[in-house]
Amino acid sequence: NAGVTQTPKFQVLKTGQSMTLQCAQDMNHEYMSWYRQDPGMGLRLIHYSVGAGITDQGEVPNGYNVSRSTTEDFPLRLLSAAPSQTSVYFCASRKGLAAYNEQFFGPGTRLTVL
Amino acid sequence: AQSVTQLGSHVSVSEGALVLLRCNYSSSVPPYLFWYVQYPNQGLQLLLKYTSAATLVKGINGFEAEFKKSETSFHLTKPSAHMSDAAEYFCAVSDAEQAGTALIFGKGTTLSVSS
Repeated sequence: NAGVTQTPKFQVLKTGQSMTLQCAQDMNHEYMSWYRQDPGMGLRLIHYSVGAGITDQGEVPNGYNVSRSTTEDFPLRLLSAAPSQTSVYFCASRKGLAAYNEQFFGPGTRLTVL
Repeated sequence: AQSVTQLGSHVSVSEGALVLLRCNYSSSVPPYLFWYVQYPNQGLQLLLKYTSAATLVKGINGFEAEFKKSETSFHLTKPSAHMSDAAEYFCAVSDAEQAGTALIFGKGTTLSVSS
């Protein structure tokens, strides 16, 4: 199993550009989520999904869109990039919806918005 | 609302010394608690978790944590630090009542180990 994969690893955008961060998992996990990590802030939840076709907002959803058309994929879209979105983005997945199950994290995408 | 507080954003120890990373949580219901480790330029890896079975939880790489309800704490310890333990450590809380059963993370503690 590859686990949770993310592409690209690094990305530089100009203010106002749009892009999609890709996330895929091959563990048939129902739950997937996106976090952003900023220095001194820990990880904050952007969006999550409890299954194909079902998504919801987390703590910091503004400026981001998600969709979940398949169990495997959970892309994160930046509609109009802003410097405040400079961050490291992590995708995670979890088997089932039980809160006690481990979340598996991808390697991250480091995004810089100029 | 749930929250996690990690006391000390940076902890430095000598190789062979005790490692103690502090975590306090706030939750209105019995929580599930996790410690994750992040090595430089990598994703997060689970060290251990508390799910109400045993209050003393053993994890990977010689780490353990004790759940103390009276103190609302879940501190991470390791008897003898190794250079390879240098990383960032995150405490996280979750409960079944939270929408989406998301993880709420603390701000992290960077552990440095000197020889």
